[in-house]
Order: sequence, then structure tokens, then C-alpha cells
Amino acid sequence: EAGVVQSPRYKIIEKKQPVAFWCNPISGHNTLYWYLQNLGQGPELLIRYENEEAVDDSQLPKDRFSAERLKGVDSTLKIQPAELGDSAVYLCASSWTSGTPNEQFFGPGTRLTVL
Amino acid sequence: GENVEQHPSTLSVQEGDSAVIKCTYSDSASNYFPWYKQELGKGPQLIIDIRSNVGEKKDQRIAVTLNKTAKHFSLHITETQPEDSAVYFCAAFSSNTGKLIFGQGTTLQVKP
Repeated sequence: EAGVVQSPRYKIIEKKQPVAFWCNPISGHNTLYWYLQNLGQGPELLIRYENEEAVDDSQLPKDRFSAERLKGVDSTLKIQPAELGDSAVYLCASSWTSGTPNEQFFGPGTRLTVL
Repeated sequence: GENVEQHPSTLSVQEGDSAVIKCTYSDSASNYFPWYKQELGKGPQLIIDIRSNVGEKKDQRIAVTLNKTAKHFSLHITETQPEDSAVYFCAAFSSNTGKLIFGQGTTLQVKP
């Protein structure tokens, strides 16, 4: 069974440029998460989707970050414009449901460098 | 807000020794405690988890203990091997918020 797929794996952009990350969760997983992982830190939740609905986006900086999961399967996270402080690893994870606690499966992440 | 503290930040052991990583959580509504292993360039991978109705769980060389009263939980790795070298994260799931809160991570180095 394929795991969580993310692309690109690496991205280098200049500040003020837009950038987008894509995630395809494990087949059948209803819940999709985007996490931010700064160097030397644990992942921090940005947004959680139940199917196509964003049920928790309280930690998403909405002035520059946006996300979508239009058909309740794959998802895109966008930053526009990017700032130097956005350099980090962006992790996508999925699980069967978030109603009861269960394993979250993580993708390999996208490492973003903003110059 | 919810917080998970993890110690130590780095741990170096000789191959064959045991390693212990400790975490504390603040949200009393936490009821699920997974441990993840993250290797360089990869995403975190679940290695063991424990729910709040259980005090201890073991899977071969790894074990996790939970003290709900003290809000402590720990990861124990016995007979460490060089391939155990990685960053380990504890996490606590809050039934109030539905969020998984991660600790800051422990870099484990197992010396051959």
C-alpha cells in the first residue's frame, strides 16, 4: 500500500514569491493534516481536514497561507508571498478519522528554503 | 494552551545499553500518547502508542509507560542498536481539541 505522497520534496524560492505543496493521503483516509516542522522542533499543526471540510485552521496564518482539499482526497497548501521565516519542512499526514485518536501516517515532507 | 515537554534533547548511549526518554503533558483531556521516530529526510513514523486506560505497553525492545496522575509518559528502548539512532518525538492527543501536540524531540545516538 502506498504511503502519503508529497511533492515536491525540496523547493528553493526567493522571498515574496508564491509556492505550493501537494499531498496525496493514503487511500481511504478521511482526515488530512498539514504540519509545519521547524529545524530541531516537533511538528505543529497548521490545518486539519475532515473529507473536504477544514475543521481546524486556527493555526494557519491566513494572511499568506491557504489550503484546499476540493474533492476530499488530495490537498494543496499555498504560501503567497513567502517570507524568510517560512523556511521549514511542511509535512502532510493522514488518518482514518480524527474523531477518536488513531495513528497519523506522515509523508516525507517538503523542505522549503526561502532566500 | 496544551504543552508537551520532552527530555533530554540529546541522548548518547553505547550499543546494547538502554535509552529512556521522558515527556510531560499539560492537558488533562489527553487520552492517546504516540511515539514517533524520524530519520533524516523522512517523515515521522509511529513506533508505539499507548491509550489513557493502559499503564504500560511493550513491543519487543521498546516499551512505553504512562502515569496519568503525574501526567508523565516515557519511552524505554532496551538493547539499543546503531539503527535506533534517530530523532524521537512524543506526542499527546487532546480529546478536547482533537489535536496531537508534539514534544520538542530527542536526538538519540547509539554508538557501536
